[in-house]
Amino acid sequence: AQSVTQLDSQVPVFEEAPVELRCNYSSSVSVYLFWYVQYPNQGLQLLLKYLSGSTLVKSINGFEAEFNKSQTSFHLRKPSVHISDTAEYFCAVSDDVTGGFKTIFGAGTRLFVKA
Amino acid sequence: DGGITQSPKYLFRKEGQNVTLSCEQNLNHDAMYWYRQDPGQGLRLIYYSQIVNDFQKGDIAEGYSVSREKKESFPLTVTSAQKNPTAFYLCASSRDLNEKLFFGSGTQLSVL
Repeated sequence: AQSVTQLDSQVPVFEEAPVELRCNYSSSVSVYLFWYVQYPNQGLQLLLKYLSGSTLVKSINGFEAEFNKSQTSFHLRKPSVHISDTAEYFCAVSDDVTGGFKTIFGAGTRLFVKA
Repeated sequence: DGGITQSPKYLFRKEGQNVTLSCEQNLNHDAMYWYRQDPGQGLRLIYYSQIVNDFQKGDIAEGYSVSREKKESFPLTVTSAQKNPTAFYLCASSRDLNEKLFFGSGTQLSVL
């Protein structure tokens, strides 16, 4: 069975500081890994994903995540955050054996960026 | 513009009442999903549908029902059997297997 653990429920950080949102997963088969972002009162938007190939994946707004198979982690990082990055971030895993119809989501990490 | 439309944005349910949440997509996606979001618990899958006239139970289907009569529409009914319906409900769709999920903006359901 697959599972996703987001190690921090809330992360407060000052503007322009670096941030890391931690995610660990467990799976007995190959995985696809995702980070979604949810702004207040909105649905989720895909931020970035790892399917195969390079273990470092990047989004268009400066976030990046690195797939670490030995540590079963997919931590999300940004070197300098903005106020507009305040949102909830969800790590997710999909099992290609099940065809991705049962994407498993973590409990979410709420990022607060303070001025 | 293509996307997923959920309505209403806010919904209130009286004791013993069934309510239906609407989800429409114009992305021509085959698969559609309903998730429930509770604080601190992330998203949990209620039902999903791979194609028209077919749907499967997710992890927390009890107290809910769905239909998929049209490709574009996947309404969710919260029945009186669902004893704790207060939550944020998200509808999603995807083109096919392992493609990314597109989400609607959600419906907040509360009990009066």
